[in-house]
Amino acid sequence: EPEVTQTPSHQVTQMGQEVILRCVPISNHLYFYWYRQILGQKVEFLVSFYNNEISEKSEIFDDQFSVERPDGSNFTLKIRSTKLEDSAMYFCASSEGTISGELFFGEGSRLTVL
Amino acid sequence: QKEVEQDPGPLSVPEGAIVSLNCTYSNSAFQYFMWYRQYSRKGPELLMYTYSSGNKEDGRFTAQVDKSSKYISLFIRDSQPSDSATYLCAMSAGGSQGNLIFGKGTKLSVKP
Repeated sequence: EPEVTQTPSHQVTQMGQEVILRCVPISNHLYFYWYRQILGQKVEFLVSFYNNEISEKSEIFDDQFSVERPDGSNFTLKIRSTKLEDSAMYFCASSEGTISGELFFGEGSRLTVL
Repeated sequence: QKEVEQDPGPLSVPEGAIVSLNCTYSNSAFQYFMWYRQYSRKGPELLMYTYSSGNKEDGRFTAQVDKSSKYISLFIRDSQPSDSATYLCAMSAGGSQGNLIFGKGTKLSVKP
């Protein structure tokens, strides 16, 4: 069964460092997303991406965040200068079309900022 | 008022019980309603998807949406220990591509 894969599964970094989280969406999917879940809190939307550009972003997705699809398979989230409050589980998701909600999530990348 | 409210539990039931999980919401623009299951340290897995009001059944799972009351439910019949997980409701107004608003999740434990 096709799945969304994410790397790394866990990354520990020092405050102020840059981090890149990687995702390989399901191959025939056209819409890509990043969500995050701070421990004990809700899953929160960060950004959606379609046709090589951001289609929507939340207030959380400020200038320190960026996304990129550097090739035909990868989708990345970059955090330019990490803060302690960026510590969270980051989930990549993808969907085939425009039907809201039928998102397929990866298993997540746990980011710990020290 | 929070946009999506969900009782975090935990909820513990014996095997075979009927489980009822619920969410309330405040945004009347929501049209798409989902239930996701999340096992520990895993990503959310889509269980049920409903558009607008009504019921939807899939095996042991039934999703209900009452837009007039801004209330959605998930029922699990003949619950199994393998159903033990956190259940997340999520919803969207549509239009934007996948901007889901999640509830906090209800942790369910089904005891053998």
